[in-house]
Amino acid sequence: QKEVEQNSGPLSVPEGAIASLNCTYSDRGSQSFFWYRQYSGKSPELIMFIYSNGDKEDGRFTAQLNKASQYVSLLIRDSQPSDSATYLCAVNDGGDDKIIFGKGTRLHILP
Amino acid sequence: DADVTQTPRNRITKTGKRIMLECSQTKGHDRMYWYRQDPGLGLRLIYYSFDVKDINKGEISDGYSVSRQAQAKFSLSLESAIPNQTALYFCATSDGLAGFNHEQFFGPGTRLTVL
Repeated sequence: QKEVEQNSGPLSVPEGAIASLNCTYSDRGSQSFFWYRQYSGKSPELIMFIYSNGDKEDGRFTAQLNKASQYVSLLIRDSQPSDSATYLCAVNDGGDDKIIFGKGTRLHILP
Repeated sequence: DADVTQTPRNRITKTGKRIMLECSQTKGHDRMYWYRQDPGLGLRLIYYSFDVKDINKGEISDGYSVSRQAQAKFSLSLESAIPNQTALYFCATSDGLAGFNHEQFFGPGTRLTVL
């Protein structure tokens, strides 16, 4: 069974600090990695996509990928209350083009 | 207008009733998916379709069926609803020609309650 593991949280971070979210995956054939943000009762929306080892930055968000360790992370700099949400890590199934989602980490930014 | 739409947005039904959830997209994507989301269990794949003639079971297909009526339409049916099918249901689409980027675009969701 291919799995994507995340700490369910909640992760509480003071406003203005860096939030660090982590994810591990089991399928070594995976090539594409995603971070989705989901507000309560709403649909997931993509915030980061990465497929190469290393870091990818987009505004306050940085995704980090280490394929050797099967580890992907998301850093949120200068955290804002509007960043409070559940963050879903997702990984493509190396056998086909489905995506496997983790169960999500709840992030709470403390004002 | 939204790129991925779902109808109805909310539905309350009784055990044993047949229910159909509909999904339409204007993104021109070939791939469509149905997920359910339950608290603490994340998104679980019910069925997916990579083109009109392709239908595949996901990890939790029992009790569900689907129909891909056209490239833009993918419906999910519960033939005889039961209370443990109470959940938030999402339809999603993706572009099969997008290379490594398998990004999925989600509809707004249907909240289904089975009494």
